[in-house]
Order: sequence, then structure tokens, then C-alpha cells
Amino acid sequence: NAGVTQTPKFRILKIGQSMTLQCTQDMNHNYMYWYRQDPGMGLKLIYYSVGAGITDKGEVPNGYNVSRSTTEDFPLRLELAAPSQTSVYFCASSYSGLAGSEQFFGPGTRLTVL
Amino acid sequence: GNSVTQMEGPVTLSEEAFLTINCTYTATGYPSLFWYVQYPGEGLQLLLKATKADDKGSNKGFEATYRKETTSFHLEKGSVQVSDSAVYFCALGGSQGNLIFGKGTKLSVKP
Repeated sequence: NAGVTQTPKFRILKIGQSMTLQCTQDMNHNYMYWYRQDPGMGLKLIYYSVGAGITDKGEVPNGYNVSRSTTEDFPLRLELAAPSQTSVYFCASSYSGLAGSEQFFGPGTRLTVL
Repeated sequence: GNSVTQMEGPVTLSEEAFLTINCTYTATGYPSLFWYVQYPGEGLQLLLKATKADDKGSNKGFEATYRKETTSFHLEKGSVQVSDSAVYFCALGGSQGNLIFGKGTKLSVKP
């Protein structure tokens, strides 16, 4: 049981480039989330999904896109990278969205945009 | 909106010292409260949680009590170990099933 896996671990992009951050979970969780963590700040929600085919915006969605074609995968797409997107990105999943549900996190992707 | 404020770090303690990391929240209603821990190079892991007022969450010697009167969820441990060195995040459950996090507190424990 690998839990939540993310690739790549590190990436450097130039301004205007695009990339996809991959996230996969093997726990058959319906709920998946993308957060970003800026230095000295807490994690902020970018997008989330309550099941395959269903996605919705979080607190900071601008500049990102997501898709959820399967239960297992929830990729995050950056179309035109900007320095403001330099951050550490965490993917998480949970069995339900009910209060008190534990979220399981991946190890993160550290992205630098120069 | 809902938010979490936690004690800023870094916090440096000697082994076997007492630990308190303060956390207060602003929320409508009574959300679930969590402490997550992030060890170096790893993702966040749930440390403990409380889902209603006066509940005490506990795990691995850590404790936190959900206090609605003071809107607080302070993390405590009676005797820290070097292996407790990590970043600790206080969080509350959001309306979208997400978590709303504090900024995190880095703890370093020296032998």
C-alpha cells in the first residue's frame, strides 16, 4: 500500500513553461485535494475533487487546472508558469469529506519558477 | 472566514523538556480540529484530532483538548524526544471537506 504518491519531487521551470504534477492514491478514496505551501505559510487549497469526473475550485485556483478521470489519479496542470507559483505542492486524499475525516498526504513536489 | 493561528517558531527544546504549541481558531460553528506533523522530507501525517468541544485527542504522548470557550487546541507533550523534531501544523475542517491550516511550528529537540 503506497498511499499517496507524487511526481516529480523537484522541478525547475522557466516563466511561461507548462507542466503537470502527478498524484496517485491506492486507497480507493473518493476525495482528493491539491494544496500549496509557501515559505512560512500554512497550506492553501488549490482544487479538490469529490469523485471521478467532479472537480471544484479551492481558495487559490488561478493559474492551475485539474482533471479527475479515475478514482486513483488527480493531476494538477500549470499552463503558463509564473514566479508566484514557486511553492511546495501537496496532494492529499480522504475516504470522505465529513468533518473529522483524516487526510493522507503525499511527500510533496517542490517547484521553482525562474 | 475560518482561520487558524498558531505559535510561530522555531522552537528549540532539550530532550525531556515540556512542549506546548499554542493554536487558536476562528470559525462559525464547531469544526473538527487537527494536529498534523511533517517530518523532514516527508508528507504531513495526522497526529491527533478532536471532533467536538471538550474532546481530548492523544497520540504518541501528545495531547490537545478542544476548548470552545477559548477557541483553542493547544498541543502538549510532557517529555519530548529528539525524534519529535518536525514541523507541527494545527488545522480545522473546512466546509469543502478540506483542511484550513496554520502556518506551522518547527520544533527542534536537542539531546
